[in-house]
Amino acid sequence: NAGVMQNPRHLVRRRGQEARLRCSPMKGHSHVYWYRQLPEEGLKFMVYLQKENIIDESGMPKERFSAEFPKEGPSILRIQQVVRGDSAAYFCASSPPTSGRARQFFGPGTRLTVL
Amino acid sequence: GENVEQHPSTLSVQEGDSAVIKCTYSDSASNYFPWYKQELGKRPQLIIDIRSNVGEKKDQRIAVTLNKTAKHFSLHITETQPEDSAVYFCAARSPGANNLFFGTGTRLTVIP
Repeated sequence: NAGVMQNPRHLVRRRGQEARLRCSPMKGHSHVYWYRQLPEEGLKFMVYLQKENIIDESGMPKERFSAEFPKEGPSILRIQQVVRGDSAAYFCASSPPTSGRARQFFGPGTRLTVL
Repeated sequence: GENVEQHPSTLSVQEGDSAVIKCTYSDSASNYFPWYKQELGKRPQLIIDIRSNVGEKKDQRIAVTLNKTAKHFSLHITETQPEDSAVYFCAARSPGANNLFFGTGTRLTVIP
């Protein structure tokens, strides 16, 4: 049973470009969470999605950031017009659609570097 | 919202000794407390978790204790080994929240 998959693992963008980060949850999981981790810091929640629905985006910056989890395919975190402050590791986690929803399993992360 | 504080930020122990990491939380309604281990450049890995209806849970060399009255929980690692060296994060989740609130991490170094 494959774990949470993320790609790319490393992404380099110049200021003003777009970054697209992908996350495939564990098999059987229908809940996806995106977190951001700055160097030497903990993980900060960004957004929680279920298939075709954004449930909670309270941690997402209001501008330039968007997320989706389509019926088919991976969840995507999109950052438009990236700035240097967007450089961070972005982790996706997934959980099952049952009472065990609290237990979240993380992907390997995408390390975004903005030049 | 929930606020989780974690101490110490760094911890060095001799191989074979025990390590204890402590966290406090602010929301008395929080009912789920996982611990994650993160090695350099790797994903956070769930190592143990505890729910608020339990005071203690143990899995081999790892144990977690929860004091709901004081709103703190701790990770205990016994007989530490060099491979235990990593950053450990505590987290908390309240019933109405969709996400985990993380502490700032403890960098554990086990000296051979």
